[in-house]
Amino acid sequence: DAGVIQSPRHEVTEMGQEVTLRCKPISGHNSLFWYRQTMMRGLELLIYFNNNVPIDDSGMPEDRFSAKMPNASFSTLKIQPSEPRDSAVYFCASSLGPGLVGTQYFGPGTRLTVL
Amino acid sequence: AQSVTQPDIHITVSEGASLELRCNYSYGATPYLFWYVQSPGQGLQLLLKYFSGDTLVQGIKGFEAEFKRSQSSFNLRKPSVHWSDAAEYFCAVAPEEYSGGGADGLTFGKGTHLIIQP
Repeated sequence: DAGVIQSPRHEVTEMGQEVTLRCKPISGHNSLFWYRQTMMRGLELLIYFNNNVPIDDSGMPEDRFSAKMPNASFSTLKIQPSEPRDSAVYFCASSLGPGLVGTQYFGPGTRLTVL
Repeated sequence: AQSVTQPDIHITVSEGASLELRCNYSYGATPYLFWYVQSPGQGLQLLLKYFSGDTLVQGIKGFEAEFKRSQSSFNLRKPSVHWSDAAEYFCAVAPEEYSGGGADGLTFGKGTHLIIQP
């Protein structure tokens, strides 16, 4: 299995631009998670899907952030418009089964830099 | 809401020496506890987890952790570190039943950066 796949690995953009991060979970996993990692705040859970349905998005920082999961093999995290404070590493993870206690497998992350 | 504290931001250990990384949690009931490792440029990999039962948990790569309820701790240990263990280590806690609220979700500590001296 290829594991969780994220693209791009690195993204540099200018303030105000739209940014789309992509994630392909492990085949057969039905839960998907988006995390953000910064030096100041550590690792934070942004949103969690189960069977393609968003279960909890209370970790999403503000309306500029949105996430979708149109099918079981693909999810996007979009930031529009982007701001310098959005610079972080964004991780996607997937697990088998609902809830947070199944083993989560993390992707390599997307390092986002907003200038 | 639960919280996790990793008191040591950086730890330096000589290769071959023993290692202990500290993790303290705050949660009203019995939590589910995890240790993850993040190698440079990589995603997170689960080292071990504790749900119930034996309080000494064995993980991958020779790591173990001990759940101590009285101390609200879940410290990670390894008897002899290797240079390849240099990485960032994250402790995480989840409630027994995820209620769906963000504040009750999986919470990570800020991480401990492990440096291995030759």
